[in-house]
Parts: sequence; structure tokens; C-alpha cells
Amino acid sequence: DVKVTQSSRYLVKRTGEKVFLECVQDMDHENMFWYRQDPGLGLRLIYFSYDVKMKEKGDIPEGYSVSREKKERFSLILESASTNQTSMYLCASSLSGISKNTEAFFGQGTRLTVV
Amino acid sequence: AQSVTQLDSQVPVFEEAPVELRCNYSSSVSVYLFWYVQYPNQGLQLLLKYLSGSTLVKGINGFEAEFNKSQTSFHLRKPSVHISDTAEYFCAVERYNFNKFYFGSGTKLNVKP
Repeated sequence: DVKVTQSSRYLVKRTGEKVFLECVQDMDHENMFWYRQDPGLGLRLIYFSYDVKMKEKGDIPEGYSVSREKKERFSLILESASTNQTSMYLCASSLSGISKNTEAFFGQGTRLTVV
Repeated sequence: AQSVTQLDSQVPVFEEAPVELRCNYSSSVSVYLFWYVQYPNQGLQLLLKYLSGSTLVKGINGFEAEFNKSQTSFHLRKPSVHISDTAEYFCAVERYNFNKFYFGSGTKLNVKP
């Protein structure tokens, strides 16, 4: 089974702190994603990575950066956390290219509260 | 970017009744289509997906969905719901070979006894 593991289920950080959210997948997937989930807004793509050191901005990248130094690990960084970044963060991974096995596999989510 | 619309934010239904959760998408190119379920404080789990072939797709837990290309819809159905189906359901699209998944705003299904 594919497993996507997010390092924390719950985090509480102070405004202005630098925050790291970590995600690891164990199925050698090329693609990895960070989404933000807010009530009534569904999942919004923050950043997408299609290979090591490669990234693309999603729909809401402002205030976030990412790092992918190894294929299995994708980190989301909040350079200076703000209260409007309080949210549920979901990491996902998938195979690349046209594939009958295409689907996104999700981690359990990290609920971040910025106070 | 693709657009996914889930018109119903909440759907209340009694146990053993049928249910339909609606999803419409906009895309000028061919897409793959997915339904995911999220139980409280959990990540998303795949219910079913349409890649090609038969427009009626069966998934886990007795759910099925029908792809309608002319109406750009992918509605999710279950003939008889259980209390355990109470969850939030998300429709998603992926453009062929584009490798990004776009999600709707979600529909909360509340099954009452």
C-alpha cells in the first residue's frame, strides 16, 4: 500500500515563526503536492513538485515555499507564519505521466494553528 | 486551470435512502475524474475514478458515478446509505498528462437514523 506520512497531526505556532511541514511517501512517486483545506473552499493547491528540486506554484503560493531535496520527501515552509495561515494542510503524491494507475494518495493532514 | 463545481455544500439524508452528490467540471480538454471521501480528522481516500471506457464507474462502499461528457458532469450515487457514510465528499479532475489534481469545494453528507 502507498503510504504518505505527514510528520505532525497538530501544530500550534506563534505569529512570525518559521514553520516546516514535512511529508514522506514510500512508493517512489514522481509527483508530490501540498494542498490547503478550508471549510467551504475545498482543497487548494499551494505547490506541486514533479521531480527532485523541481517545483511549480499552485493557485495560492503566497507566503509559502517548498523544498524537495530527495524524491520521497516534500517540505512546506511558512517563512513567517500568520494567523490567516491557520488551516488543515494535506500532502499528496502520484505517479507521473499518462497512467491507468493515476490517482492522488493523501497523508492524514496537519492541522496548523497560528496564534 | 480546471474548474470543479460541487453545487451542494451539505446533503442531509435518512439512512437507507438513495443519495446523489453532484459534480460538474469545466475543461476544454479530456480529463480524468475522481471522487474522494474524507472522514473527520482524516486524509482523503479514493472512492472511485474514471479514466476511460464505460461511463458508469463502480467504487468502494457501494458507490458509483456516471461520466456524462456532454453535460461535463460526474455525479456520485448510492442506492442505500448507511450512518457510516457520513463524511465529506470531494470531486476532482486531472487533465491528461498534466499531473495536477483540482478539487471541488466538497459536499458534506449527513446520514440520519
